Amino acid sequence: NAGVTQTPKFRVLKTGQSMTLLCAQDMNHEYMYWYRQDPGMGLRLIHYSVGEGTTAKGEVPDGYNVSRLKKQNFLLGLESAAPSQTSVYFCASTLAGGKETQYFGPGTRLLVL
Amino acid sequence: QQQVKQSPQSLIVQKGGFSIINCAYENTAFDYFPWYQQFPGKGPALLIAIRPDVSEKKEGRFTISFNKSAKQFSLHIMDSQPGDSATYFCAASLLSGSARQLTFGSGTQLTVLP
Repeated sequence: NAGVTQTPKFRVLKTGQSMTLLCAQDMNHEYMYWYRQDPGMGLRLIHYSVGEGTTAKGEVPDGYNVSRLKKQNFLLGLESAAPSQTSVYFCASTLAGGKETQYFGPGTRLLVL
Repeated sequence: QQQVKQSPQSLIVQKGGFSIINCAYENTAFDYFPWYQQFPGKGPALLIAIRPDVSEKKEGRFTISFNKSAKQFSLHIMDSQPGDSATYFCAASLLSGSARQLTFGSGTQLTVLP
């Protein structure tokens, strides 16, 4: 099993450009999460999904959209990138909502100029 | 608003030394307290976790101490090894609806000198 994978690994955007980050998991997990990690801030939850076709806002959702069209995939979109969105983005998944252990992907480093 | 405060920001210890990382939380609804270990270029991975009905949990060289009344918990690393050099995040978790949400501390970068 590959676990949780993320593409791309690194991306540079110009302000105003759009992009989509892809998260895929092969563990048949129901719940998936998107976090951003900034220096000195830990990880903060952007959006999460409790199942195929459902999404919900986390702590810092502004400027991002998500979609969960397939159970194994969770997409994070930036419609108009801003320098404040320069960060490392991590996807995580867990088997069910009550399960505590979240399994993280390797991250996507995004630089917005 | 940071609900989980972590200290120190960085820590340097000699091989074989003892490391302590502290965290404090505010929300008494948190019911699960994990520690994650993150190596450079990798995602965080669960290291050890504790529930508030237990005051201590030990796994190998890693121990969590939990003080419910003070709303504090800490990670103790005995006999620190260079391979332990990583960033450590404490977190606090609660069920929000049907989803368990994690609130992370700001992280501690641990360097173990050989």
